[in-house]
Amino acid sequence: GESVGLHLPTLSVQEGDNSIINCAYSNSASDYFIWYKQESGKGPQFIIDIRSNMDKRQGQRVTVLLNKTVKHLSLQIAATQPGDSAVYFCAENALGGGADGLTFGKGTHLIIQP
Amino acid sequence: ETGVTQSPTHLIKTRGQQVTLRCSSQSGHNTVSWYQQALGQGPQFIFQYYREEENGRGNFPPRFSGLQFPNYSSELNVNALELDDSALYLCASTSPWLSEQYFGPGTRLTVT
Repeated sequence: GESVGLHLPTLSVQEGDNSIINCAYSNSASDYFIWYKQESGKGPQFIIDIRSNMDKRQGQRVTVLLNKTVKHLSLQIAATQPGDSAVYFCAENALGGGADGLTFGKGTHLIIQP
Repeated sequence: ETGVTQSPTHLIKTRGQQVTLRCSSQSGHNTVSWYQQALGQGPQFIFQYYREEENGRGNFPPRFSGLQFPNYSSELNVNALELDDSALYLCASTSPWLSEQYFGPGTRLTVT
């Protein structure tokens, strides 16, 4: 099975609302987590990352929260826009263990309703 | 745009054939990883190349092989193609002091 997974395959939100996409991981050795956005026909685009020594990290309109106790990761997108429509993946890796590659979940399809 | 380029964008092969996919990494990035993304799934790690050597591999058979060149560009070779090899093949590059990997647009391979 996959060590990283997402709770919902599809999330539909109204334009302007905030979105929260969740991810659970099972590998306790994971110490680096990334969120990627993938639009149709394109490769994954880096959004934001967080290391295991942090609980929260903010970017432009995005916030990633990490709860190591329950092995849960979330991506919050503020004031969603039509351009936010895409599939969002969480991925994990062990820092310094990049040779193992990133482990991705199956993705959540975010749909922005006008 | 990440600066990672891949070629070709699409190709169609017949079962049993061999295919070579190419990737040029972002300037300054000397590490290249390859991923396979089946339709509706997340990418799966195939292998990683650093300093022209394979230094990590996922759960893929030996018929998946690669090369990295002195300019850090890379190739993915797949022999004896199977129908299940149909997927989007993604290349990602990074540098030793970075953790995030930057992905190219991918090559869509269809095996018939």
